[in-house]
Amino acid sequence: DAKTTQPPSMDCAEGRAANLPCNHSTISGNEYVYWYRQIHSQGPQYIIHGLKNNETNEMASLIITEDRKSSTLILPHATLRDTAVYYCIVRVGLAPLILSGSARQLTFGSGTQLTVLP
Amino acid sequence: GAVVSQHPSWVICKSGTSVKIECRSLDFQATTMFWYRQFPKQSLMLMATSNEGSKATYEQGVEKDKFLINHASLTLSTLTVTSAHPEDSSFYICSAPARGSTDTQYFGPGTRLTVL
Repeated sequence: DAKTTQPPSMDCAEGRAANLPCNHSTISGNEYVYWYRQIHSQGPQYIIHGLKNNETNEMASLIITEDRKSSTLILPHATLRDTAVYYCIVRVGLAPLILSGSARQLTFGSGTQLTVLP
Repeated sequence: GAVVSQHPSWVICKSGTSVKIECRSLDFQATTMFWYRQFPKQSLMLMATSNEGSKATYEQGVEKDKFLINHASLTLSTLTVTSAHPEDSSFYICSAPARGSTDTQYFGPGTRLTVL
């Protein structure tokens, strides 16, 4: 799986957009970009994923550069409850019937500690 | 979305005892589940892959005889920490991939183990 690089920490004012960058310059053509977050003392939570097109859901938007070497997770209106560690993970995202066993694992890096300030 | 539960949410035990942690997928079946361990201020580290109907696959450095994994059904995996010691105190988290083309994973809420 491709290695990712994220800033260790970021602050964001409540109500403002939080933009979390991730570099993945060695990403392969069949690897997706996944974002998860972990609120303190809880299990990680899936946020969004994408291959090459920008994606948006009820939680966030994912902007992937044209060369796919970096991406940005955008929380449009950050709240205090968005304070968490955000993990950018790059991994092959084939259908479960193709991938089996340990090939489907996630490898977590250090992530970015986002602190939303009141 | 899919839900994964863990039980117990926290446990305190004496050194030398064994502790069992359950991981259940509540509204979907999971032939594979993953067990992670997280020490304070560190990231999640994969311990093992639990496979329904076959033996678990352990990551390098994880003792299979100490961390027993049983994937009893398509919705249940258990992790038993045998002869626990204080250095086993950690946050244990399981995950299961839900069916779909991009293999999103759903995590349990975690189990905080404290060994005295």
